Amino acid sequence: GAVVSQHPSWVICKSGTSVKIECRSLDFQATTMFWYRQFPKQSLMLMATSNEGSKATYEQGVEKDKFLINHASLTLSTLTVTSAHPEDSSFYICSARTLGTGDYNEQFFGPGTRLTVL
Amino acid sequence: GQNIDQPTEMTATEGAIVQINCTYQTSGFNGLFWYQQHAGEAPTFLSYNVLDGLEEKGRFSSFLSRSKGYSYLLLKELQMKDSASYLCAVMDSNYQLIWGAGTKLIIKP
Repeated sequence: GAVVSQHPSWVICKSGTSVKIECRSLDFQATTMFWYRQFPKQSLMLMATSNEGSKATYEQGVEKDKFLINHASLTLSTLTVTSAHPEDSSFYICSARTLGTGDYNEQFFGPGTRLTVL
Repeated sequence: GQNIDQPTEMTATEGAIVQINCTYQTSGFNGLFWYQQHAGEAPTFLSYNVLDGLEEKGRFSSFLSRSKGYSYLLLKELQMKDSASYLCAVMDSNYQLIWGAGTKLIIKP
């Protein structure tokens, strides 16, 4: 299957700093990338959907000025958590999709980024 | 509204069979996915159903009834490594995945 990478895998930062997480599709072009957040023992929560070259669509309750998403190319999307606070500590997972891959529009997940804000 | 329901937790014995149910109500339907997620890791794809019936893949099988808004994931010959959360997700008319809360499966020796 298609491979999606995320960097970094783990990040610890101080409160008030900004953190950038990269999501790359390694062997296919992702027309759409998704950013999820998952708190312990909870399901995936979709934060935003981004299409290459256009602004991201944020889910209700997600602050677009706090979680900046840039999908500058068909293989790279970045999520920047600005002025991070301890409540932003979570597992952030990206997924990528390209329409027409296989018989269905499967999403391929990155390995996730564990963010801890002190 | 859109809703995916699945049990929170299930326990089964190594070597046995377990069935994890999922019911859904969504705006449109473009298929149902099952993912496996081990603690601290991203989900991995298990199965996809878009037509009614049973799809078998090794020890795992997935069933779909669109008229009933119902699916199940069947795991046979359970192994300790099958202990994980199993996520049911439905792709709606906008090709967005609507996720269930996941079923934590505990396998006992």
